[in-house]
Amino acid sequence: GAGVSQSPSNKVTEKGKDVELRCDPISGHTALYWYRQSLGQGLEFLIYFQGNSAPDKSGLPSDRFSAERTGGSVSTLTIQRTQQEDSAVYLCASSSRQGGVADTQYFGPGTRLTVL
Amino acid sequence: GNSVTQMEGPVTLSEEAFLTINCTYTATGYPSLFWYVQYPGEGLQLLLKATKADDKGSNKGFEATYRKETTSFHLEKGSVQVSDSAVYFCALPNSGYSTLTFGKGTMLLVSP
Repeated sequence: GAGVSQSPSNKVTEKGKDVELRCDPISGHTALYWYRQSLGQGLEFLIYFQGNSAPDKSGLPSDRFSAERTGGSVSTLTIQRTQQEDSAVYLCASSSRQGGVADTQYFGPGTRLTVL
Repeated sequence: GNSVTQMEGPVTLSEEAFLTINCTYTATGYPSLFWYVQYPGEGLQLLLKATKADDKGSNKGFEATYRKETTSFHLEKGSVQVSDSAVYFCALPNSGYSTLTFGKGTMLLVSP
C-alpha cells in the first residue's frame, strides 16, 4: 500500500518568507510526527498528533513554527519568517499507535528546505 | 530525560567484514529500543527492535541485544554488503513516551 508521502521534496526560499510543508500519512494511522534532520545533529522531534487529542508541541523550536492536522489525516507544518538556521530536512512519520510508542513509525522521504 | 549515544561515523568497511555500531542509552525503566536505517535518498525505516531486557532483535542479518547491565543495544552484522551502506540510528521512547528520541546516526560505507 501507499506509504507516507511528503511534498514538496525540495524547497528553496528566501530568508523571511513563509513556507508550508505537507505530509500525507498512511491511511488509518492515528499518530503523526514531525521531525527535523540537520547535518550532524540526528533527528529532532518537533510535534506529535494523536487522534483528536491536543498535539504535543514541546519540540517546536520557536513560535515561528506551527503545525495542523486536518480531519485526522493530512498535516501541514508552517514556518513563518524563515531563517537560515531553519535549513534542514523535515521528516514526517505516522504509526498506528495501537501498541503505544513501541509501534513502528513509518517515515516519509522528507522535504529538504534551504533558506537563502 | 531518556537519551541515546551512538558511535560517530563514518564507519568504513570492506565487503564481508564484521560490523559493530555501538549504542548506549539512558532511560527510566526499561523502554523498547530500536534501530532505524536510512538508505541514500530514502526515508528512515525500522531495521529491528527489542521490547524488553535480554531480547534480541534481528532483521536482514543484523542483530542487537538489549543489555540492561551495560545499558547498551549494539548493532552487529557478521558479513556486510555494499548494499548495507546507509546511516543507522539508535532510538528509544522519550521520557513522556509520546515519540522517539534518536541518536545522531552513524554512517556506514561498505566498499567492494
